[in-house]
Amino acid sequence: ETGVTQTPRHLVMGMTNKKSLKCEQHLGHNAMYWYKQSAKKPLELMFVYSLEERVENNSVPSRFSPECPNSSHLFLHLHTLQPEDSALYLCASSGTSGRSSYNEQFFGPGTRLTVL
Amino acid sequence: GQNIDQPTEMTATEGAIVQINCTYQTSGFNGLFWYQQHAGEAPTFLSYNVLDGLEEKGRFSSFLSRSKGYSYLLLKELQMKDSASYLCAPMNQAGTALIFGKGTTLSVSS
Repeated sequence: ETGVTQTPRHLVMGMTNKKSLKCEQHLGHNAMYWYKQSAKKPLELMFVYSLEERVENNSVPSRFSPECPNSSHLFLHLHTLQPEDSALYLCASSGTSGRSSYNEQFFGPGTRLTVL
Repeated sequence: GQNIDQPTEMTATEGAIVQINCTYQTSGFNGLFWYQQHAGEAPTFLSYNVLDGLEEKGRFSSFLSRSKGYSYLLLKELQMKDSASYLCAPMNQAGTALIFGKGTTLSVSS
């Protein structure tokens, strides 16, 4: 149990669908992240939220829309995705708390997304 | 630009020692992390170096040379469960983002 949960774990959607990925952290952290992991590619940072404000946005297409309503929850809203968006989407959190010695990021198990 | 370079694959046998090298070029630097990722699972934190030198943590050690843009992860007394991908990840100057390499897939055989 890493303290970061993600739902759903698997998602299959058509290109015209709208869906949302959810991430929740139970570690008392103040920063949350979305990453995309495609086969044979490095983990790509998509968005960073610190204290519920977006601080990084790595040129991600607008069909991906993040939302951070509070420091424990992070969403990724998806609409009109493309097949090449199929990947593992990982959420992470970090922050100074009793469990973090070096401000390392703790990752959730990911959502395996398939776009048909 | 930013570039992280690691070997793609390595193989070793149980009980052996293996060193996974990482060279990096980043605009700004705020420490370097190593993560382990088993197939189908989330990455888990292994080590962090911000100053030059060796950090030892049980069977795993990590080394950093900031002037050379170089780090390595040393795994001793290899076990089958160490078969995984190992990700080198420098942190940006602001401390807001990790820059991941493609990772090194280590296969440990008996």
